[in-house]
Amino acid sequence: AQSVSQHNHHVILSEAASLELGCNYSYGGTVNLFWYVQYPGQHLQLLLKYFSGDPLVKGIKGFEAEFIKSKFSFNLRKPSVQWSDTAEYFCAVKPYNQGGKLIFGQGTELSVKP
Amino acid sequence: DVKVTQSSRYLVKRTGEKVFLECVQDMDHENMFWYRQDPGLGLRLIYFSYDVKMKEKGDIPEGYSVSREKKERFSLILESASTNQTSMYLCASREDRGLDQPQHFGDGTRLSIL
Repeated sequence: AQSVSQHNHHVILSEAASLELGCNYSYGGTVNLFWYVQYPGQHLQLLLKYFSGDPLVKGIKGFEAEFIKSKFSFNLRKPSVQWSDTAEYFCAVKPYNQGGKLIFGQGTELSVKP
Repeated sequence: DVKVTQSSRYLVKRTGEKVFLECVQDMDHENMFWYRQDPGLGLRLIYFSYDVKMKEKGDIPEGYSVSREKKERFSLILESASTNQTSMYLCASREDRGLDQPQHFGDGTRLSIL
């Protein structure tokens, strides 16, 4: 079965620390990849997406992600986190031949200490 | 900006009741989705709709049904609510143009079944 795995359930960092959140998926075909963020009390928002081309994609608020096809991975990174980055982060995969359906990972809760 | 509106932020119902969750989007999107979000499980797809009067089962459709009589509205129905349906329910919509169109989410309805 298709699945998306986020390795960390809860990450705690101090401000200015670097962030990397892991995401791996199991699907052998072409995919589109997304990272969504959910700030406390708010709706899910798109951080960034990979469709094709350059495997390093940049999103909003200084986030970036790298698609490594051979590793079936799409890890999210930020060089220096801020307290306002405290949120839950979801990786999602859209298999090419399944319309608009997304398969979500379990989510990673990020807590940034001021 | 896309607006996806869910009729209630919080809802409390009793076991055995028929429950309706409503979702409206204002961007003439073809695709609409219902998820439930549970801690440690991420978002799981209940039902989705590619267009008016079209619906398809997602990964966890048991105990739920949906209705899409108008393009802008997608209703989730719990036929006979049970305590294991206590959860956060998220609605999303998506423009069916191009493969990389993201889903846009509502604020969610936190449903408690007593």
